[in-house]
Amino acid sequence: QKEVEQNSGPLSVPEGAIASLNCTYSDRGSQSFFWYRQYSGKSPELIMFIYSNGDKEDGRFTAQLNKASQYVSLLIRDSQPSDSATYLCAGDNQFYFGTGTSLTVIP
Amino acid sequence: DTGVSQDPRHKITKRGQNVTFRCDPISEHNRLYWYRQTLGQGPEFLTYFQNEAQLEKSRLLSDRFSAERPKGSFSTLEIQRTEQGDSAMYLCASSPGTGAGANVLTFGAGSRLTVL
Repeated sequence: QKEVEQNSGPLSVPEGAIASLNCTYSDRGSQSFFWYRQYSGKSPELIMFIYSNGDKEDGRFTAQLNKASQYVSLLIRDSQPSDSATYLCAGDNQFYFGTGTSLTVIP
Repeated sequence: DTGVSQDPRHKITKRGQNVTFRCDPISEHNRLYWYRQTLGQGPEFLTYFQNEAQLEKSRLLSDRFSAERPKGSFSTLEIQRTEQGDSAMYLCASSPGTGAGANVLTFGAGSRLTVL
């Protein structure tokens, strides 16, 4: 079993919609999770990280962590074409990344 | 601060040759990571340094791969006797190691390896 797994997508949403990206993990000891965005041909860059159960909001982005169910999600509100990218989640030691979910926002 | 620098950006080599990549992390960062990424996959962890100490190495990494960070600053990743399966983007990342964003990675632009 992989340490971190993502719904592989690809995911397409219309502009202005909410995009929901999910990640499950196997290590119950994981304390924090990181979401990175990777544009085609570029390196990953941090969107946000979350340590505590519940929600963390940053602008149009909301990360949700549910330790009991071992999943973490990223919601993107009011999706924009510029959000089109691959989204990667990683656990706290960041040795393991998910395979990524490709998001396309359709104008 | 110019971020994380990697060199070379592109390397084409013949099978069986040795290649070396260099990574210069953000100067205040004491943690340094190497990953390999192929098309359609997430970054695959290779190894991790805390200052000059190599604390973790992927079990998937063959003996042909070696990494060093001799003075706790820049790092090198060497691949000996390259194989076509080594063709990938090699990413370096660094993180502060302390503070609220201790584990936040900043990635370099990567070194793309093509083995013919």
